[in-house]
Amino acid sequence: RKEVEQDPGPFNVPEGATVAFNCTYSNSASQSFFWYRQDCRKEPKLLMSVYSSGNEDGRFTAQLNRASQYISLLIRDSKLSDSATYLCVVNLNTGGFKTIFGAGTRLFVKA
Amino acid sequence: GAVVSQHPSRVICKSGTSVKIECRSLDFQATTMFWYRQFPKQSLMLMATSNEGSKATYEQGVEKDKFLINHASLTLSTLTVTSAHPEDSSFYICSARLWANNEQFFGPGTRLTVL
Repeated sequence: RKEVEQDPGPFNVPEGATVAFNCTYSNSASQSFFWYRQDCRKEPKLLMSVYSSGNEDGRFTAQLNRASQYISLLIRDSKLSDSATYLCVVNLNTGGFKTIFGAGTRLFVKA
Repeated sequence: GAVVSQHPSRVICKSGTSVKIECRSLDFQATTMFWYRQFPKQSLMLMATSNEGSKATYEQGVEKDKFLINHASLTLSTLTVTSAHPEDSSFYICSARLWANNEQFFGPGTRLTVL
């Protein structure tokens, strides 16, 4: 089982749609959680941190469920510019800091 | 946000040569930097953790003698791909971590092509 698993994708949606990304992690010692966005042939960039209390930033909402070891990202009213790969990222600190990336879910938003 | 630079952004070299990639944190000090590799349509894979003033910690399956890492200062880490071969062609990305919130800032990446 992969340490961080994401929806395989790709997701193809029309503009204005609501899109939900799911992610699960296997190590209960995981400490911090993030969603990153990566555009084609570019480096990943932080989209938002994820907290148990939920985190909302405009059209984006991230949620963490520690009991289920589940992370989600919701994009409302999707735009063409939202097209990218979304990476679920988990930080561990088990005798040393380590970051685990999910494989990413590709999103295509079409007019 | 914090800025991390990488140089060069792109390099094409012949098989058997060595290539050095620099990663700099421009506006903060980073005791820990990370080196990742990403093959087309795959996720980032951590290669090694670079610790300032000490030896790097390599992930399983990554040859430390082939991928030499030096973290001589709090703002600079280098990755040298020694005796590069075509299978080493990839997108190499570094990142630096902020202790305050564990956020990682990524460099723009270096695309290596070995002929």
